[in-house]
Amino acid sequence: EVQLLESGGGLVQPGGSLRLSCAASGFTFSSYTMSWVRQAPGKGLEWVSSINVSGGSSYSADSVKGRFTISRDNSKNTLYLQMNNLRAEDTALYYCAKASPGGWLRLSFDYWGQGTLVTVSS
Amino acid sequence: SYVVTQPPSVSVAPGQTARITCGGNSIGRKSVHWYQQKPGQAPVLVVYEDSDRPSGIPERFSGSNSGNTATLTISRVEVGDEADYYCQVWDSNNDHVVFGGGTKLTVL
Repeated sequence: EVQLLESGGGLVQPGGSLRLSCAASGFTFSSYTMSWVRQAPGKGLEWVSSINVSGGSSYSADSVKGRFTISRDNSKNTLYLQMNNLRAEDTALYYCAKASPGGWLRLSFDYWGQGTLVTVSS
Repeated sequence: SYVVTQPPSVSVAPGQTARITCGGNSIGRKSVHWYQQKPGQAPVLVVYEDSDRPSGIPERFSGSNSGNTATLTISRVEVGDEADYYCQVWDSNNDHVVFGGGTKLTVL
């Protein structure tokens, strides 16, 4: 059974940093592109960042580029999101998502974690 | 950047057919995926690559994509189908994932 367990969320002041983790199990982690998707309270889904199987290629939304960094450790079956210079508008539930098989052009997310809440407030 | 547009809400009676659209410039040339999200739950993939269903998704869920509009069709709608539905594509010009704004399906 595929499981994705996010952790690392919490309350942080504007300008602060957090590192989210996503522990994966039930599949060959090193064979799949992984992503972070967030959802602000009462709002829709917003893609944050994706990383390929080796970690050598990643893409990020313009809203987080230069502030957030996605990475992975295939030896630990873990996905990360380093978030720096956090803003109030980054407040959201952050989901870890596994990509379906296939390349970037057909990228979809077949498994999702339950999310970890990040609140940016003074 | 590429934009996909969904109606904010769709209402349908139980047993009827619900159609949720996702509009975008030449979206027919892209792979479109659909997610169902119920309150307090993570999204669930219900249709991928325009019209394929993951295992465990009822045949009542189907998809199509042509021209400037992709459509998620839910046949014989049940009360349990009430949820938010999101379409998603890959914007190859900007190497970004794009989600639609979501459509709230209400089963009257």
